[in-house]
Amino acid sequence: EAAVTQSPRNKVTVTGGNVTLSCRQTNSHNYMYWYRQDTGHGLRLIHYSYGAGNLQIGDVPDGYKATRTTQEDFFLLLELASPSQTSLYFCASSDVGDEYFGPGTRLTVL
Amino acid sequence: GEQVEQRPPHLSVPEGDSAVIICTYTDSATAYFYWYKQEPGAGLQLLMSVFSNVDRKEEQGLTVLLNKKDKQLSLNLTAAHPGDSAVYFCAVSDQGGSAKLIFGEGTKLTVSS
Repeated sequence: EAAVTQSPRNKVTVTGGNVTLSCRQTNSHNYMYWYRQDTGHGLRLIHYSYGAGNLQIGDVPDGYKATRTTQEDFFLLLELASPSQTSLYFCASSDVGDEYFGPGTRLTVL
Repeated sequence: GEQVEQRPPHLSVPEGDSAVIICTYTDSATAYFYWYKQEPGAGLQLLMSVFSNVDRKEEQGLTVLLNKKDKQLSLNLTAAHPGDSAVYFCAVSDQGGSAKLIFGEGTKLTVSS
């Protein structure tokens, strides 16, 4: 079974704070994704990557940076967090075909 | 770009009844179709994936139907039980190399005993 882990699982920060969400996959997948999930919107794609050093812009990228340091690791960075970024964040990995999700990180920006 | 509409947003059925969730997509080039289940406090669990050359797929009490003419994807849970209570999402992807998924907004299914 494919494995995607995320850390931290919960995070509280203040407006203007600096936050890094981490994701690791051990599936040897090329693609990795960051989504946010909000009531009424389903899942929306923030950024994705098809390999180490690659970054593609998703559908809701504003206020987010991301970096893919290795095939396994994909990070989401919020350098000046705002309350509108309070959400549930999911990481996923895939090759062309089935996409596997991590357990999620709940971020609260006060 | 591709848009996916999912309905109903909420669905309640008694135990043993069937539950049907429908998604409509807009891009005829869409090639990959998925159904995910999300239980409270958990991530998304892949239930079934279907490629565009398949019209019907059945697995463990779940039936996925793909109607390419109407651009419609459905999930049928036959004989639902309380353990099926969760939020269900459809997702689609085109044939492009990005493998990006476009999600429906989700259906909260409640199965009462």
